[in-house]
Amino acid sequence: KQEVTQIPAALSVPEGENLVLNCSFTDSAIYNLQWFRQDPGKGLTSLLLIQSSQREQTSGRLNASLDKSSGRSTLYIAASQPGDSATYLCAGNRDDKIIFGKGTRLHILP
Amino acid sequence: EPEVTQTPSHQVTQMGQEVILRCVPISNHLYFYWYRQILGQKVEFLVSFYNNEISEKSEIFDDQFSVERPDGSNFTLKIRSTKLEDSAMYFCASSETLGNTIYFGEGSWLTVV
Repeated sequence: KQEVTQIPAALSVPEGENLVLNCSFTDSAIYNLQWFRQDPGKGLTSLLLIQSSQREQTSGRLNASLDKSSGRSTLYIAASQPGDSATYLCAGNRDDKIIFGKGTRLHILP
Repeated sequence: EPEVTQTPSHQVTQMGQEVILRCVPISNHLYFYWYRQILGQKVEFLVSFYNNEISEKSEIFDDQFSVERPDGSNFTLKIRSTKLEDSAMYFCASSETLGNTIYFGEGSWLTVV
């Protein structure tokens, strides 16, 4: 069964803290991993793409890692800000599609 | 920055009516997708489209659904005989090639009454 799991489902942290969001997948045919941000009622904004040949990608305060052998990816957010509050989705490429997890709802407390 | 655009942003339709959702993918992209998100649930794959034909579809994408690229810029999703359970946000997306970053539009919110 194709499944992407995200833990935790929701997270609240004080502003300024560093945090890690987790994503795991059981399907070994998943070859790339993409992280998205979704604000309420809005579309999906691509944050980072980690291709199968890469181990991590960085963009500003975001760092994403991928360990295909263990079926895990993490999204690290440094020095969190209230504007980071959103739902974060990971999605794995399989064949001609990407498969989404249910997301982690992040709330940064001012 | 190039973006995927979708119209309409919201549509309310009577059960049993046909709906067409429209998308303009990013111009140099070759792969196009439709996804949907029922309120409070996860984003689900519907269909991918490449070289003017469906390359993959999910079990959700049954005979009620069809996709078309009527010209060089638009990509449409048609839903025939809509049902209440078709109410969802429908996202169009595109990518330059397989495995590259997939860019999503802002979505079309469909409400079937």
